[in-house]
Amino acid sequence: DAGVIQSPRHEVTEMGQEVTLRCKPISGHDYLFWYRQTMMRGLELLIYFNNNVPIDDSGMPEDRFSAKMPNASFSTLKIQPSEPRDSAVYFCASSSSPQKETQYFGPGTRLLVL
Amino acid sequence: AQSVTQPDIHITVSEGASLELRCNYSYGATPYLFWYVQSPGQGLQLLLKYFSGDTLVQGIKGFEAEFKRSQSSFNLRKPSVHWSDAAEYFCAVGGNSGYALNFGKGTSLLVTP
Repeated sequence: DAGVIQSPRHEVTEMGQEVTLRCKPISGHDYLFWYRQTMMRGLELLIYFNNNVPIDDSGMPEDRFSAKMPNASFSTLKIQPSEPRDSAVYFCASSSSPQKETQYFGPGTRLLVL
Repeated sequence: AQSVTQPDIHITVSEGASLELRCNYSYGATPYLFWYVQSPGQGLQLLLKYFSGDTLVQGIKGFEAEFKRSQSSFNLRKPSVHWSDAAEYFCAVGGNSGYALNFGKGTSLLVTP
């Protein structure tokens, strides 16, 4: 299995621009998680899906952030408009049963908003 | 609410020396506990996990961790560190009905020759 795939690996954009991060979970996994990693706050859960349905989005920082999962093999995290404080590494993870199984992490997308 | 504390931000050990990384958790019920490792520019890789049963769990790369309920701890150990172990280590706790993991802030391990 190729593991969790994220694209792009690096993104540099200017403040105010729209940013879209993409994730392909491991085939057969029915949970998908989006995390953000910063020096100040560490790893934070933004949102997670079960069977393509958003279950908990309480970690999404504000309305500028949105996430979708149109099918079992694809999810997006969108920031519009982007701000410098959104600069971070964004990780996607997937799992088949998160309470008892491993969450498998992708390599992350390093976002820099100028 | 569940939470994790990793008291050590940075640790430096000599190659071949033993290692212990500390992790304390806060959770009302029996937690699910994890240790992940993150190499520079990489995602997180699971080292080991504890759900129930034997409180001493073995993981990959020669790591082990011991769950101590009385101390609310889940410390990670390795008897002999290799230079390739230099990385960021994260302890995480799960078990909340929300199925999310709460991560500690991480401990950065530096291995000297």
